[in-house]
Amino acid sequence: TQLLEQSPQFLSIQEGENLTVYCNSSSVFSSLQWYRQEPGEGPVLLVTVVTGGEVKKLKRLTFQFGDARKDSSLHITAAQPGDTGLYLCAGGDQGGKLIFGQGTELSVKP
Amino acid sequence: DTEVTQTPKHLVMGMTNKKSLKCEQHMGHRAMYWYKQKAKKPPELMFVYSYEKLSINESVPSRFSPECPNSSLLNLHLHALQPEDSALYLCASSQGGRPYGYTFGSGTRLTVV
Repeated sequence: TQLLEQSPQFLSIQEGENLTVYCNSSSVFSSLQWYRQEPGEGPVLLVTVVTGGEVKKLKRLTFQFGDARKDSSLHITAAQPGDTGLYLCAGGDQGGKLIFGQGTELSVKP
Repeated sequence: DTEVTQTPKHLVMGMTNKKSLKCEQHMGHRAMYWYKQKAKKPPELMFVYSYEKLSINESVPSRFSPECPNSSLLNLHLHALQPEDSALYLCASSQGGRPYGYTFGSGTRLTVV
């Protein structure tokens, strides 16, 4: 069974700080995705990474896929209160299923 | 249209009731999914439909019955649920069978009393 370990589970920071969320596995994934979810809403796709070593940027968010396609990270620069939410990494297995990490609950205080 | 629409947004039902959740997408996606999510937890896969056929059932109890009438619609029929089934039920869709990015609906908040 492929598992994704996401860390940290909780993160509370002040506005303007930087942070990194990690998503690790012992298995290889064909792709990894990052989602952000606000309370009472569905997850919203932020990015999909497919190629080992790939780096993608979305404004203040930087996503990286490990060379071996077993891990990924999300770095947020100068966090803002609007970044608050549940961040989920998810990996696509060969069977066509999306496997989620446990999530990181981020709180950015003004 | 780049959305997945779920109705109703909220549902309260008794343990003897029969109700249905509905999901609709018009993005031409050929795979549709039902997920269950408890508070502060990641979504848990329930069912996968690929090209309108049920391809994955994650050992979900028979009180949950999925249906895919056509490529744009997905239903989840509920009957004789338990209070522990209370959760946010999410529908999602994606292109084909490979998970190259899912589009999720806003979910139905289900409370079983």
